[in-house]
Amino acid sequence: QVQLVESGGGLVKPGGSLRLSCAASGFTFSDHYMSWIRQAPGKGLEWVSLISSSGSTIDYADSVKGRLTISRDNAKKLLYLQMSSLRAEDTAVYYCAREGIQGAGRALDAFDIWGLGTMVTVSS
Amino acid sequence: DIQMTQSPSSLSASVGDKVTITCRASQSINRFLNWYQQKPGKAPKLLIHAASTLQSGVPSRFSGSGSGTDFTLSISSLQPEDFATYYCQQSYSMRTFGQGTKLQIK
Repeated sequence: QVQLVESGGGLVKPGGSLRLSCAASGFTFSDHYMSWIRQAPGKGLEWVSLISSSGSTIDYADSVKGRLTISRDNAKKLLYLQMSSLRAEDTAVYYCAREGIQGAGRALDAFDIWGLGTMVTVSS
Repeated sequence: DIQMTQSPSSLSASVGDKVTITCRASQSINRFLNWYQQKPGKAPKLLIHAASTLQSGVPSRFSGSGSGTDFTLSISSLQPEDFATYYCQQSYSMRTFGQGTKLQIK
């Protein structure tokens, strides 16, 4: 079935680094834009970063620009988020999400499949 | 950057009620507006895309409308499973979520 599974979360000290992974299955990963979205404890959703299907287009939220790096390996069907210079305010559940495709290959421009999330805690 | 503002932040209603949630964009986003439902401890679920198109499998009591800067999500007859938090999200430029609307049982 269509599935996204995140991994790599954990406890890290302020200033530290972490790499998250998202494994895709059940669909043609290389056809889809992908994003990372996070949710701090008890807070709302915050879009973090997006990567196009080929990896040629990348965007970041201002809050993470220069510290987080998104990438993908289409052959392995993996999405990554390299996190560095981590701060307490980066503490959150990190979701990977797929942007869907409609008929005739049109982009859905919406997140139609989400993973279960992986928790990142930044604390000394 | 485009900011998304939802109102109200929280809402109390009863089973069978009709409710409406509003989302306003800081600039025109055409119809690049999506709605999600999130229940505690779960990932969000896509309800509506392109302002008014119901995602496959979503009950018809959910509907969306609007274009430009002002959008609404309506639930025509609340069911017990609809009590959750709802988010709007724009995909016109980068991606941004509204702050969420928590729908609680009265």
